[in-house]
Amino acid sequence: AQRVTQPEKLLSVFKGAPVELKCNYSYSGSPELFWYVQYSRQRLQLLLRHISRESIKGFTADLNKGETSFHLKKPFAQEEDSAMYYCALSLHSSASKIIFGSGTRLSIRP
Amino acid sequence: EAQVTQNPRYLITVTGKKLTVTCSQNMNHEYMSWYRQDPGLGLRQIYYSMNVEVTDKGDVPEGYKVSRKEKRNFPLILESPSPNQTSLYFCASTGTGELFFGEGSRLTVL
Repeated sequence: AQRVTQPEKLLSVFKGAPVELKCNYSYSGSPELFWYVQYSRQRLQLLLRHISRESIKGFTADLNKGETSFHLKKPFAQEEDSAMYYCALSLHSSASKIIFGSGTRLSIRP
Repeated sequence: EAQVTQNPRYLITVTGKKLTVTCSQNMNHEYMSWYRQDPGLGLRQIYYSMNVEVTDKGDVPEGYKVSRKEKRNFPLILESPSPNQTSLYFCASTGTGELFFGEGSRLTVL
């Protein structure tokens, strides 16, 4: 069955420290993966998608098909990065299916 | 401005009193979807629509109905709300894979 796993409910790091939010997926087809972010009192918004291979707000994520992972990384955390982060998997076989992980709350300590 | 608009943003109701949460998008997207967000469970899809008059169940459709009579609108209907439907609801649409979300509707059923 298709699944997205974010093992950490909460991740707390100091400002300036590196950040890695883990995401693993289970899907036998060709995945399209996304990271969405929800800042306090704001709507969910796309942070990045693997096919664009961009760095957004200093965040990057590389799709590792061997490890079925799409971890989100940032070398130096900033206080404004505090938010809820969701990893999502879009199944190419069905445009209807976009599966979300349970989310990780990132808290940056000053 | 491209956006997804939900109403109401906040609602407290009582068990059994029918309610409708409206969702409208101005991006001419064919695909629209409803999610509920619960602590520890992430985002779960309720219903989705691939186009006008085409709707289908997501992962947690019980107790909900939807309709898609026009491309821009995708209302979520709770015919007889129950306390376990207390949640934060998000509507989203997409045309290219990136989901655009509404601001969310926080529903409390007493």
